[in-house]
Amino acid sequence: QSVLTQPPSVSGAPGQRVTISCTGSSSNIGAGYDVHWYQQLPGTAPKLLIYGNNNRPSGVPDRFSGSKSGTSASLAITGLQADDEADYYCQSYDISLGGSNVFGGGTRLTVL
Amino acid sequence: EVQLVESGGNMVQPGGSLRLSCAASGFHFSNSAMSWVRQAPGKGPEWVSVISANGINTYYSDSVKGRFTISRDNSKNTLFLQMNNLRAEDTAVYFCARGLWDGFDIWGQGTMVTVSS
Repeated sequence: QSVLTQPPSVSGAPGQRVTISCTGSSSNIGAGYDVHWYQQLPGTAPKLLIYGNNNRPSGVPDRFSGSKSGTSASLAITGLQADDEADYYCQSYDISLGGSNVFGGGTRLTVL
Repeated sequence: EVQLVESGGNMVQPGGSLRLSCAASGFHFSNSAMSWVRQAPGKGPEWVSVISANGINTYYSDSVKGRFTISRDNSKNTLFLQMNNLRAEDTAVYFCARGLWDGFDIWGQGTMVTVSS
């Protein structure tokens, strides 16, 4: 059971907008720690998609955006494309039990 | 080209040891905090350990504390993970990754560790 909770799956048609939630607690997101998002295609390493809650690394399309409020964060993808189909993970820092980087359980995005 | 290349993964019996390596190129390795992140089959990533740029500070997840040791050789642009007393639950693909507070922005391709009798 992950410290950060994500929906197991989301889906959308090409061109649509989808959001993926990441729910934490007062010991991680709610404590003010940044949230980062990763995209993982099958058989590959995770790729940093959003860092520091709402910043995109160079090369990431502006169709991807992040937000954070309270103890939760969200990843939004607009103009859904077939090659967006992947697993998405949120990541933050948790101060309980001595402190540790933590990942969400992941969300499988299916493009219909 | 910015690159991280892991090696050293293998199949080992419970209680055994392995040493993973990660060769870095294309960026200032000696200025970068580096981490190991693992991913068990069908599961999400799990952070394992981080080492500061100068190698002085190290931190571990509770699941590996006391069994794994992270180290680095900045003269050779190489990161290491010494894994002792391995357990079945350590079976995973092990990735090295750059970064810490701003996310992990560079990842290797991963190396597979299988712990089984």
